[in-house]
Amino acid sequence: QVQLVESGGGLVKPGGSLRLSCAASGFTFSDYYMSWIRQAPGKGLEWVSYISSSGSTIYYADSVKGRFTISRDNAKNSLYLQMNSLRAEDTAVYYCARVRVAAHAFDIWGQGTMVTVSS
Amino acid sequence: DIQMTQSPSSLSASVGDRVTITCQASQDISNYLNWYQQKPGKAPKLLIYDASNLETGVPSRFSGSGSGTDFTFTISSLQPEDIATYYCQQYDNLSFTFGPGTKVDIK
Repeated sequence: QVQLVESGGGLVKPGGSLRLSCAASGFTFSDYYMSWIRQAPGKGLEWVSYISSSGSTIYYADSVKGRFTISRDNAKNSLYLQMNSLRAEDTAVYYCARVRVAAHAFDIWGQGTMVTVSS
Repeated sequence: DIQMTQSPSSLSASVGDRVTITCQASQDISNYLNWYQQKPGKAPKLLIYDASNLETGVPSRFSGSGSGTDFTFTISSLQPEDIATYYCQQYDNLSFTFGPGTKVDIK
């Protein structure tokens, strides 16, 4: 079945780095744009980044621009988020999601991975 | 950047009630408006796309309408399994924005 599984979350100190991964299965990964979305504890959803199917087009939210890098490996059916210079306010559950481009909607979501930034 | 507002922020209704949530955009977004359901501890789920199109497999008691800046999401007959937080989401100018959410409880 269509599935996204995130990994790589954990506890990191402020200023540290972490790399999240998202493994896709059940669909042709290379045909789809993908995105990362996060949710701070008890808060709403915040879009983080977006990458086109080929990786040639990338967008970031202003809150992470210059610190986070999205990438993908279509041969491995995987999406990544490299997070550097982490701050306490980056603490959140990070979801990867498949993008339905025509509707600019997120139609498949992973279960999420928790990132905690704390000393 | 386009801002999204939702009202109410929370509501309690009885099983079988009609529930309506509104979402307002700070600028015209045509019909680029989607609705999601998030149950506690779970990932969000797409329910409605392009303002009024029901996602495959989603019960027909869910519906959406609107265009421009004002949008409505309706549950025609609230069921116990509909307890969740509902979010609207828009896309504009290389950015995606979610509304703050509406928490729906059973009275």
